[in-house]
Amino acid sequence: DAGVIQSPRHEVTEMGQEVTLRCKPISGHNSLFWYRQTMMRGLELLIYFNNNVPIDDSGMPEDRFSAKMPNASFSTLKIQPSEPRDSAVYFCASSPRGAGQYFGPGTRLTVT
Amino acid sequence: DAKTTQPPSMDCAEGRAANLPCNHSTISGNEYVYWYRQIHSQGPQYIIHGLKNNETNEMASLIITEDRKSSTLILPHATLRDTAVYYCIVRVGRTQGGSEKLVFGKGTKLTVNP
Repeated sequence: DAGVIQSPRHEVTEMGQEVTLRCKPISGHNSLFWYRQTMMRGLELLIYFNNNVPIDDSGMPEDRFSAKMPNASFSTLKIQPSEPRDSAVYFCASSPRGAGQYFGPGTRLTVT
Repeated sequence: DAKTTQPPSMDCAEGRAANLPCNHSTISGNEYVYWYRQIHSQGPQYIIHGLKNNETNEMASLIITEDRKSSTLILPHATLRDTAVYYCIVRVGRTQGGSEKLVFGKGTKLTVNP
């Protein structure tokens, strides 16, 4: 298995632009997670899905952030409009029921 | 979820066992202990988890005290590639009605020296 796949690996955009991050979980995993990591705040859970249904989005910072999971093999995290303080590494992770989470390589987002 | 306490940093000689402690004195009976690590510039990596009994896999061993208030992650023969931040996390297992949510603290920065 290729593991969790994220794209793009790096994204540089200007303030105010829309950013879409993509994730393909490991086949057969029924949970998917989006995290954000910064030096100041560490690793934070933004949202997670079970069987494609959003379960907990309490970590989503504000309405500019949205996440979707249209099917078991794909999820997106969208930021619209983006701001410099959104600069971070965004990780996607997936897990089978009741087990550990497997993280992707991350997307490094820079908003100028 | 119960909070955990870990030393901020540790050093270990290559080839020796690395023993990483974690205190979780407020752990509940249905909370599991999970260990992850994050090598620089990579995503966190799941290592191992347990409830009461000691666990071992190809990466590490997890020793949980009888009162479950602390645990130790053991890397039996540390290599330079084991240099990473190690996170100890406790949470209720989802099969027992808990959430999948993991709360990452600051972890222990393990440096394996040649």
